Amino acid sequence: EVQLVESGGGLVQPGGSLRLSCAASGFTFSSYEMNWVRQAPGKGPEWVSYINSGGITIYYADSVKGRFTISRDNAKNSLFLQMNSLRADDSAVYYCAREAARNSLDYWGQGILVTVSS
Amino acid sequence: IQLTQSPSFLSASVGDRVTITCRASQGISSYLAWYQQKPGKAPKLLIYAASTLQSGVPSSFSGSGSGTEFTLTISSLQPEDFATYYCQQLNSYPRTFGGGTKVEIK
Repeated sequence: EVQLVESGGGLVQPGGSLRLSCAASGFTFSSYEMNWVRQAPGKGPEWVSYINSGGITIYYADSVKGRFTISRDNAKNSLFLQMNSLRADDSAVYYCAREAARNSLDYWGQGILVTVSS
Repeated sequence: IQLTQSPSFLSASVGDRVTITCRASQGISSYLAWYQQKPGKAPKLLIYAASTLQSGVPSSFSGSGSGTEFTLTISSLQPEDFATYYCQQLNSYPRTFGGGTKVEIK
């Protein structure tokens, strides 16, 4: 069974940092592209970042470029999102999601809440 | 690429046929997916490549379209289908989502 489990969220002050992790199981993690998607309260999903299976090709939303860094450790079946210079509008539930051959995000984690507030 | 969903809100009864439209600001071939989301849950994939039903999704769901105009149809609305539906384009980055369509019980 495919499972994605996020961790590392919480309350952080504006300007602070957090590192999200996503533990993958039930599939060959190193063969799949992965994404981070976030959803602010009462809003629709917002795509945040993409990383290819080898960790070489990476894309970011303009809203997080230069502040967030996506990475992966295929040996540990883990995906990461380093978030720096956090702002109030970064507050959201963050999901990691597996990408299926540029067709869809076919599996999602349960999400982890990040709250940026003083 | 902007995705515009319509309507943003829909009130319907059990058994109704429901159609949701997603329009892209430029052509995206068939790189479109549809998701269903219920409160407090992650989005769930329904349709990929514009018209292919994800495994395990009821056949009452169908998708069509290519280029800039796409539709999600629920042929006979069931109680468990009341949710919010989103389209997403995977043609290019950033991978944008539509604004959502909330389907509520009439």
